[in-house]
Amino acid sequence: QLQLQESGPGHLKPSETLSLTCTVSGGSVSSSDYYWIWIRQPPGKGLEWIGSMYSGSTYYNPSLMSRVTISIDTSKNHLSLKLSSVTAADTAVYYCARHEEVVDPPAVHNLFAPWGQGTLVTVSS
Amino acid sequence: QSVLTQPPSASGTPGQRVTISCSGSSSNIGGNGVNWYQQLPGTAPKLLIYTNNQRPSGVPGRFSGSKSGTSASLAISGLQSEDEADYHCVAWDDSLNGWVFGGGTKLTVL
Repeated sequence: QLQLQESGPGHLKPSETLSLTCTVSGGSVSSSDYYWIWIRQPPGKGLEWIGSMYSGSTYYNPSLMSRVTISIDTSKNHLSLKLSSVTAADTAVYYCARHEEVVDPPAVHNLFAPWGQGTLVTVSS
Repeated sequence: QSVLTQPPSASGTPGQRVTISCSGSSSNIGGNGVNWYQQLPGTAPKLLIYTNNQRPSGVPGRFSGSKSGTSASLAISGLQSEDEADYHCVAWDDSLNGWVFGGGTKLTVL
């Protein structure tokens, strides 16, 4: 059974770089069958897509693109997120998830499952 | 400000049927499938409905989804206390080239 677990510092100061890791167990992060995705949720607010990685290619939310880097370390079987120049607006619970794209003509189903438990990152001075 | 619009709250009594709406535009809901996620208090979101009206295995049949034009809806019939959660809609946006979410709807079972 695939499981994901986010980890990283819980607190950052403004202008620092956020670095998070998503450790994957029960499956391989290098599988070309899936996308891997980062999503965040500010306290009391809705979800926001940060970006995705698939087969070596990355796709980022245009509003965050200038500050985000997503990568995969196959030797450690984990997914990484880096977000530079953080501000208080980046305070959120950060989730990683697997994105499975299932082709079922004429439809393409996009399933974000499973998710990690999430990790809270607070940005304050 | 979320790209997809959901009511911030909804409520119902046990056994009732409630619906939650998700409104978008031609670049997202109008041209692409909508997924719904259930987020129980203090937990990560869980896939509830995919591609407008498909239920993953294990999701009870009292949860159903529909889409018409640029709007989608999640219906919960036979409401139960354990359905109290936040519900989020999501769709791909062809103009923004990314996944867009609604602001989430907090469902209260009275």
